[in-house]
Amino acid sequence: SQQGEEDPQALSIQEGENATMNCSYKTSINNLQWYRQNSGRGLVHLILIRSNEREKHSGRLRVTLDTSKKSSSLLITASRAADTASYFCATDAMTTDSWGKFQFGAGTQVVVTP
Amino acid sequence: DAMVIQNPRYQVTQFGKPVTLSCSQTLNHNVMYWYQQKSSQAPKLLFHYYDKDFNNEADTPDNFQSRRPNTSFCFLDIRSPGLGDAAMYLCATSRGLQGANQPQHFGDGTRLSIL
Repeated sequence: SQQGEEDPQALSIQEGENATMNCSYKTSINNLQWYRQNSGRGLVHLILIRSNEREKHSGRLRVTLDTSKKSSSLLITASRAADTASYFCATDAMTTDSWGKFQFGAGTQVVVTP
Repeated sequence: DAMVIQNPRYQVTQFGKPVTLSCSQTLNHNVMYWYQQKSSQAPKLLFHYYDKDFNNEADTPDNFQSRRPNTSFCFLDIRSPGLGDAAMYLCATSRGLQGANQPQHFGDGTRLSIL
């Protein structure tokens, strides 16, 4: 079963607005990562947050991690049309049967209209 | 620029006809992954290599095989493609495994169609 579940499945906003998406997971993790995927392309790494970190920033991106709730959020501020993409969370779980593997959520499809 | 390159970008094959997808990397990463991604779904891990050590996912069909002749190259072989194998196939690399706190670097994928 998937480790990460994302919410919402789809998000439509206008340029300049903020976009927030959430990821929940089931087992203890070493880290959680967010990726972006433009249509028909590969995934691009955005941010990695370690299990002992609570918040991380990169440009217009802000990621939070709450290990007690097993959840993370990705905030994109002042969105642009170029932010239109699918966003995936991926967990690097701590369990032995997940050794060497990342578990991806189903993704949030974000559409930013001019 | 260091990168992960997948060839071809688009591949069309016939039902049951073997097909090979290729992936090369200039990052010198020791781990390489193959994922299958169907429309609007999460990437699904098929298998990965840690150096030459091959790790197959329990639910990866026997129809899917992989080869890694050296650090830079990795191949995905589909022995007898079925209609359900039509998907985007993504190759990724990383510098380490669990606990290494390293991101994965993806190629742009190969879109496989089955006639």
